[in-house]
Amino acid sequence: AQSVTQLDSQVPVFEEAPVELRCNYSSSVSVYLFWYVQYPNQGLQLLLKYLSGSTLVKGINGFEAEFNKSQTSFHLRKPSVHISDTAEYFCAVRRSNTGNQFYFGTGTSLTVIP
Amino acid sequence: GAVVSQHPSWVICKSGTSVKIECRSLDFQATTMFWYRQFPKQSLMLMATSNEGSKATYEQGVEKDKFLINHASLTLSTLTVTSAHPEDSSFYICTGTSGDNEQFFGPGTRLTVL
Repeated sequence: AQSVTQLDSQVPVFEEAPVELRCNYSSSVSVYLFWYVQYPNQGLQLLLKYLSGSTLVKGINGFEAEFNKSQTSFHLRKPSVHISDTAEYFCAVRRSNTGNQFYFGTGTSLTVIP
Repeated sequence: GAVVSQHPSWVICKSGTSVKIECRSLDFQATTMFWYRQFPKQSLMLMATSNEGSKATYEQGVEKDKFLINHASLTLSTLTVTSAHPEDSSFYICTGTSGDNEQFFGPGTRLTVL
């Protein structure tokens, strides 16, 4: 079975400061990894994904994430946040061998303070 | 990228009535669609997997007679919440899977049952 853990439910950070949102997963098979952002009353928007290849993945809006297989982590980072980054962020995994089902973490609420 | 739409985006209904939510893949054929629900401040939980032309597969704990899913074509899946009650109030999100195994999220439907 797959599971995703986002340890930080809320992360407040000042504008233009760096931020890291943590994601750890467990799986008995290889997985694909994703980060999604959700703005209030909206659906999910894909930030970035890791399927294979380079472990450092760059996404939209200046975000990046690094896949660490030994630590089973896929932390999301941004060197300088903006007010508009205030949103809910979800980490998700999907089995790479079969199936399309996503397993989501509980989400991290990022609040950027002016 | 591919687009998935949901209709309606927001619906309010009286307790005991039924509500139908449509999920459409606008520019690709989705052989598989997934339905998720999201309670306030919580993560997405998979409700069911919908395959075109066959019965949906429901996750444990999801009442198939209450949440009727029909995947009549490669571009349309519907979720009907029958005899809705206030505890069914939630954000319902569908996803469509394209031929190359990419998954695209709809914008969600907010259901409020009074």
